[in-house]
Amino acid sequence: EAGVAQSPRYKIIEKRQSVAFWCNPISGHATLYWYQQILGQGPKLLIQFQNNGVVDDSQLPKDRFSAERLKGVDSTLKIQPAKLEDSAVYLCASSLNRGSGYYEQYFGPGTRLTVT
Amino acid sequence: KNEVEQSPQNLTAQEGEFITINCSYSVGISALHWLQQHPGGGIVSLFMLSSGKKKHGRLIATINIQEKHSSLHITASHPRDSAVYICAVGGSQGNLIFGKGTKLSVKP
Repeated sequence: EAGVAQSPRYKIIEKRQSVAFWCNPISGHATLYWYQQILGQGPKLLIQFQNNGVVDDSQLPKDRFSAERLKGVDSTLKIQPAKLEDSAVYLCASSLNRGSGYYEQYFGPGTRLTVT
Repeated sequence: KNEVEQSPQNLTAQEGEFITINCSYSVGISALHWLQQHPGGGIVSLFMLSSGKKKHGRLIATINIQEKHSSLHITASHPRDSAVYICAVGGSQGNLIFGKGTKLSVKP
C-alpha cells in the first residue's frame, strides 16, 4: 500500500512570495489533515478535510493561507504572501474516518519551507 | 498551560539503558498516540491506545485514563532509537493535539 505522498520535499522562497504544497493521501482515506511544525515544537493542525468538505480550519491564518481538496482526494495548501514566521515543516496526514470511532493517522514525509 | 505536556524535553542515554518518556494531558480524549520522528523524516505511529498497556518489540506504552497520564518505555535502548518521540491525544473529530516532543539521543 502506497503511503501519503507530498511534494515538494524542500522549498526556499523570499518573503512576500507565494508557495503551494501538494498532498496525495492513501487511497480510500476520507480524512486529510495539514499540519504546521515549527522547529522544536509539535505539529499544529491547520486544516482538516472530510472528503472534500472542511471539518476544522480554526487555526488556519486565512488572510494568507488557503487549502482545497477538490474531488475529495488530492489536496493543495497555499501561502500567499509568505512571511518569515511561516518557515516550518508542513505535514500532510490521512486516515479512514468513515464514521464513528477513531482511526489512525498516516503521515507524509513533509515539506520543509524556508522563507528568507 | 499546554493541553499535552511531555517530559523530559531532552534525554540522553547510554546504549542498553531503560528509558521512560512521560505524557500528561488535560483534555478528554478518544485515544492517545505515541509517534516517532527521525531528523528530516516524516512521523511514524508507534502506538494508539485508549486503555491499559501495549507492547511492540522493545517498546511499551501504558495509559492511566483516570490520571490522564501515559508513559512510553524503551527497554535495552539502542542508538537507532535516537529520534523525537511525540505524544498526541485524539479528539472526537479525529484531530490530534500534539505535545512538543522528547528528543532522545542514545549513545553507543
